[in-house]
Amino acid sequence: QVTLRESGPALVKPTQTLRLTCAFSGFSLSTFGMCVSWIRQSPGKALEWLARIDWDDDKYYSTSLKTRLTISKDTSKNQVVLTMTKMDPEDTATYYCARMDGEIYDYWGQGTLVTVSS
Amino acid sequence: DIVMTQSPLSLPVTPGEPASISCRSSQSLLHSNGYNYLDWYLQKPGHSPQLLIYLASNRASGVPDRFSGSGSGTYFTLKISRVEAEDVGVYYCMQALETSLTFGQGTRLEIK
Repeated sequence: QVTLRESGPALVKPTQTLRLTCAFSGFSLSTFGMCVSWIRQSPGKALEWLARIDWDDDKYYSTSLKTRLTISKDTSKNQVVLTMTKMDPEDTATYYCARMDGEIYDYWGQGTLVTVSS
Repeated sequence: DIVMTQSPLSLPVTPGEPASISCRSSQSLLHSNGYNYLDWYLQKPGHSPQLLIYLASNRASGVPDRFSGSGSGTYFTLKISRVEAEDVGVYYCMQALETSLTFGQGTRLEIK
């Protein structure tokens, strides 16, 4: 059974760095073709892809946010971590991690709401 | 980035009636392997998106057969043959041809 669960602070101040963890089970991120992406959704808005890390440790970032994002994985702990620097109120959103198996994003976490406010 | 455009943005439907949502991409989503990298998701209120259709026309595991996907290139359609109350939510198309995923604006289906 595949599950993903996001965790991190619910509230961060402007200019701070956000660190989110995606803890997953039911698959290994060292398996060929497995990837995990981070996607966010601002309140009442559509979905925005942020970053992806692959089984072979290749990493990809949103062009508009790449200077602020770092994605990493700990295969032994079954975790993926996303850090985002220089947080701004416009970064207030629900942050999701999602698994890609080969061609398909088939499982998403339940999401974690992050509010950026002083 | 590939721009995804959905229509309509709001879709009131009577239970038992059919429904259809369109999705257009700014570039072809047809890969050289013959697959169209277009997925459909349903986000029910208070939940994360759930996969309905992958690679344009393949139903995900557990998805009722009243849902179907079609299309190729830059134009795709999601059809619900007979809408049920549990189908309420926001439907998104998503292109996965490029690593940088992009999503449509969403179509809110509501029951009349």
